[in-house]
Amino acid sequence: EIVLTQSPATLSLSPGESATLSCRASQSVSSYLAWYQQKPGQAPRLLIYDASNRATGIPARFSGSGSGTDFTLTISSLEPEDFAVYYCQQRANWPITFGQGTRLEIK
Amino acid sequence: EVQLVESGGGLVKPGGSLRLSCAASGFTFSSYTMNWVRQAPGKGLEWVSSITSSSDYIFYADSVKGRFTISRDNAKNSLSLQMNSPRAEDTAVYYCARARIESLGTGAFDIWGQGTMVTVSS
Repeated sequence: EIVLTQSPATLSLSPGESATLSCRASQSVSSYLAWYQQKPGQAPRLLIYDASNRATGIPARFSGSGSGTDFTLTISSLEPEDFAVYYCQQRANWPITFGQGTRLEIK
Repeated sequence: EVQLVESGGGLVKPGGSLRLSCAASGFTFSSYTMNWVRQAPGKGLEWVSSITSSSDYIFYADSVKGRFTISRDNAKNSLSLQMNSPRAEDTAVYYCARARIESLGTGAFDIWGQGTMVTVSS
C-alpha cells in the first residue's frame, strides 16, 4: 500500500498570502496524484488531477506540481473561501490511498 | 446537472446489514468507474471500493473485503454498497464518487455525492 504523508498538518495564513502544501508518497506514483478541498459539512471537491491539471471550474490561483514521490499544491493569494482541509490521493496502485490532510486555517 | 445522491444510511447493529444506494443523473453512468469513499467522524478520507463501468473489475479496501459488496445497475443509473457484518469502526459518512475516464487506470474522483451517514452501534 502506498502511504501518502501530507505536511504540514495545519497551516495558518492570512488572506492574500500564498500557501504551499506538500504530499510525499512512500513510493513513486508517477504523476497519478490528485488534490481535493473539503469544507466542513461538505463533500470533497476535486481541484487538481494527474499532479498539475486543474479540474473544471477551479480558479487559476490553484496549481499543482511534482512527480514520482514529491508533490506540491500551491494556492496563490488566498481568498477567504480557500480556508479548508486539503487531501492528496494517488491512483497509481491499488488500493487507492489518501493523505491524512492539511488544514488551512485563517491566521 | 451532473449529480450523485446517496441514500440508505442510518443506525445498524454490529453484525447486522445495511444497503447503501447512489442514484446518478446528468451523465452517461454506464461509461464511468464508480467508487465509495468514507469518512469517520472527525477523520480523513478512506477509499472503500471501486467498480468499473461494466462491472468487469471490482476492488475493495482490505478493511471491508469479505464483508462489503459493491454493485451497479447501469440500466437504472444506480450504484450500491451492501454492508454485511458491520463493525463500530465502519461508522462514517459514505460518499459515492465518479472517477474521471482515463486511458490508464482509474481516474481522480471528479463528482461526489453529499454523503450518507452510517452509524454502527448496539
